[in-house]
Amino acid sequence: DTEVTQTPKHLVMGMTNKKSLKCEQHMGHRAMYWYKQKAKKPPELMFVYSYEKLSINESVPSRFSPECPNSSLLNLHLHALQPEDSALYLCASSQAPPGGNEKLFFGSGTQLSVL
Amino acid sequence: GNSVTQMEGPVTLSEEAFLTINCTYTATGYPSLFWYVQYPGEGLQLLLKATKADDKGSNKGFEATYRKETTSFHLEKGSVQVSDSAVYFCALRENTGGFKTIFGAGTRLFVKA
Repeated sequence: DTEVTQTPKHLVMGMTNKKSLKCEQHMGHRAMYWYKQKAKKPPELMFVYSYEKLSINESVPSRFSPECPNSSLLNLHLHALQPEDSALYLCASSQAPPGGNEKLFFGSGTQLSVL
Repeated sequence: GNSVTQMEGPVTLSEEAFLTINCTYTATGYPSLFWYVQYPGEGLQLLLKATKADDKGSNKGFEATYRKETTSFHLEKGSVQVSDSAVYFCALRENTGGFKTIFGAGTRLFVKA
């Protein structure tokens, strides 16, 4: 199994809602990532988890809250988002420890619209 | 800081034409270099990679050579197909510090039949 599975594929939420994005992989990867991608732009790194611990937070606003409950799962909790947060949210994983030449395996993403 | 610069698109080619997408990078140390491809409505997929100077990555007819002297990693394909239409991202992965992957802006390729 070389897949990274993200749910839901599409999400529409209001600015007062609380929602969660989910990501799952069964490749034994111990590094997992959240990226944000705006239309016609490259992915921007948000968070990195290494061995279930948060190792990188790219100064992401607190309305985004990541969680890594176990080595296969990664969540992104969303609360009080703004319309400018509308984007494609991509999860990725890689072999760990992160470093050197590990390639990233990406999920298909969650297309988020904030109204 | 480290960065990746790609040629702007879109690039429009006829089927069987030769493809070059230029990529240059700025980095301290010795990063690994990658090309990822993104098809509409999907996440990114690794196309090829090179981990040290003079390495050549290749896959599905695409090639790129890690050139340290020119800090470049240009993507080439001898004969493109309609199915190659996608967005191509050049990327580097730092080998120190946060081990981040840094992406270029992406180049959209359209191939006409």
